[in-house]
Amino acid sequence: LAKTTQPISMDSYEGQEVNITCSHNNIATNDYITWYQQFPSQGPRFIIQGYKTKVTNEVASLFIPADRKSSTLSLPRVSLSDTAVYYCLVGDVTGGGNKLTFGTGTQLKVEL
Amino acid sequence: NAGVTQTPKFRILKIGQSMTLQCTQDMNHNYMYWYRQDPGMGLKLIYYSVGAGITDKGEVPNGYNVSRSTTEDFPLRLELAAPSQTSVYFCASSAGTSGRVQETQYFGPGTRLLVL
Repeated sequence: LAKTTQPISMDSYEGQEVNITCSHNNIATNDYITWYQQFPSQGPRFIIQGYKTKVTNEVASLFIPADRKSSTLSLPRVSLSDTAVYYCLVGDVTGGGNKLTFGTGTQLKVEL
Repeated sequence: NAGVTQTPKFRILKIGQSMTLQCTQDMNHNYMYWYRQDPGMGLKLIYYSVGAGITDKGEVPNGYNVSRSTTEDFPLRLELAAPSQTSVYFCASSAGTSGRVQETQYFGPGTRLLVL
């Protein structure tokens, strides 16, 4: 499973756009890029997943350049409730199961 | 649907004691997982299962055992509790039907375990 590197923490203010970049230099051909969000005392929650180019859903966008060695999670107009830890995961389904490897994540703090 | 449920929410164990952490999902998912999360760290995979009767080790299986006798249940057993097993334990499940796509995992609320 590919190793990922992301900033330990980020600060923002309500209403701003937040971009969290994840580096995954040894991503393999079959790997997908998935982002999870975790609030204190809760299990992680799926945000978005992509393979290449751009993916958008109701809560976020995911930008993946052509070489796929990095990806950027974009949260538009964050609010206080977006304060959480965000995990970037890279992996595939080979070898059995859908095993995920979590790094330490990025602690996003949103202030007024 | 309740999703993934875990019991107990919190437990204190003495060194050497045993216990079972319960996990149940009502989504008819094939795949189930156990993770542990130490303070300030990401989650580490302990064991996973791709179906009833099939289990396999994850990244940190030592000191734990699992079984999967039904699709719904995936209990995690600690035989001889040690302080190093103090952690928050999360159970998760995924459909296990997509084949090539890495599926969304649905997590339970966690069990906080303290070993003294």
